[in-house]
Amino acid sequence: DTGVSQDPRHKITKRGQNVTFRCDPISEHNRLYWYRQTLGQGPEFLTYFQNEAQLEKSRLLSDRFSAERPKGSFSTLEIQRTEQGDSAMYLCASSFRSGPRGDTQYFGPGTRLTVL
Amino acid sequence: AQTVTQSQPEMSVQEAETVTLSCTYDTSESDYYLFWYKQPPSRQMILVIRQEAYKQQNATENRFSVNFQKAAKSFSLKISDSQLGDAAMYFCAYRSAQTGANNLFFGTGTRLTVIP
Repeated sequence: DTGVSQDPRHKITKRGQNVTFRCDPISEHNRLYWYRQTLGQGPEFLTYFQNEAQLEKSRLLSDRFSAERPKGSFSTLEIQRTEQGDSAMYLCASSFRSGPRGDTQYFGPGTRLTVL
Repeated sequence: AQTVTQSQPEMSVQEAETVTLSCTYDTSESDYYLFWYKQPPSRQMILVIRQEAYKQQNATENRFSVNFQKAAKSFSLKISDSQLGDAAMYFCAYRSAQTGANNLFFGTGTRLTVIP
């Protein structure tokens, strides 16, 4: 499978616990994005990496959230001290930009987080 | 900030018929990209079609085509010869063409039901 993969697919945790999600992008893609999708809404942008550099962060990304992309390959998204409001689907997308025109983002299956 | 509006929360279509999903957006930019993504139940988001704002010709992909009206800021999706597999949530998305502006802005989605 050469698509974007995410692990785990589902995570149930208790309020106050820390969780970490992983995203493996399409292998030749240099850009990686995290989005959050709540029920009945479209995805909302969280953060973006070009190679290993985190270049954009949304205001939605509070200080309890941290994302990394070591060596410009896979990425992790960690949520510390989870709150019930963090319950959502966390989507990862990747893209490859090779020229001045825009690129197309390809999405993974998402990690559904439930905070009890 | 750019906003994307999908005014039809739900739509239905008879199998083999044609359906049009609406999308409007608000932007002050002249160069941007528009996308339609499909999200089947419990499955990952898939790109359906992409339109570049500088191109006047409407994009088509097999049974899927768009009606891009730049002055009206409208971007509708037409699905011809609807199939049962077309049943999904459909999201319209906007992306700026400005350097450094990489994230997608999504609408709230339209749930399409295909009636056999």
